[in-house]
Amino acid sequence: GQQVMQIPQYQHVQEGEDFTTYCNSSTTLSNIQWYKQRPGGHPVFLIQLVKSGEVKKQKRLTFQFGEAKKNSSLHITATQTTDVGTYFCAGPSTNAGKSTFGDGTTLTVKP
Amino acid sequence: EAGVAQSPRYKIIEKRQSVAFWCNPISGHATLYWYQQILGQGPKLLIQFQNNGVVDDSQLPKDRFSAERLKGVDSTLKIQPAKLEDSAVYLCASSLRRTQFYNSPLHFGNGTRLTVT
Repeated sequence: GQQVMQIPQYQHVQEGEDFTTYCNSSTTLSNIQWYKQRPGGHPVFLIQLVKSGEVKKQKRLTFQFGEAKKNSSLHITATQTTDVGTYFCAGPSTNAGKSTFGDGTTLTVKP
Repeated sequence: EAGVAQSPRYKIIEKRQSVAFWCNPISGHATLYWYQQILGQGPKLLIQFQNNGVVDDSQLPKDRFSAERLKGVDSTLKIQPAKLEDSAVYLCASSLRRTQFYNSPLHFGNGTRLTVT
């Protein structure tokens, strides 16, 4: 079945440093979604990418969808303590409707 | 709009006992999902409903887990009998629509943290 891998599993940064997490799928994705889960909370939708090579920005967050639609990345510029949490990617493959979540990247930020 | 409601928030049971979780999705959301999230992992889909019909239950351990969505609104997930490895957070989510290759954004409830001793 479809597998979605995220790296790194953990990332610890100093406040103000940049952060990037990568998402790789074993199958071609029809679209990809990113979620953020704060400690003790539930996943909250951030953004959805649909087109090959698409780039979207939300303030300090930049999301990219790969040309082959098998990988994606999330980049945070100048991290803040409010960015702490686990970032998940999820997406349905083009040959099956079910979305599969990666295991996430947990970001901690030292003030 | 009101979010996805789940109850209870916490549940502690002994192995071999039964437990049930309840979910009320966002009004108007046709698709409802139950996910299992084990500590340190991403949510794993257990079952997906479109209105009151099951779309995908391929990862639901049917010998012990069951779920229903009567009248296409509320849903319950039951485990009977529970095992130690069922300790996890059970998340309910809903979305506006779903097609074969497109899922609307998922709106998650706060989840139920289940501990099986």
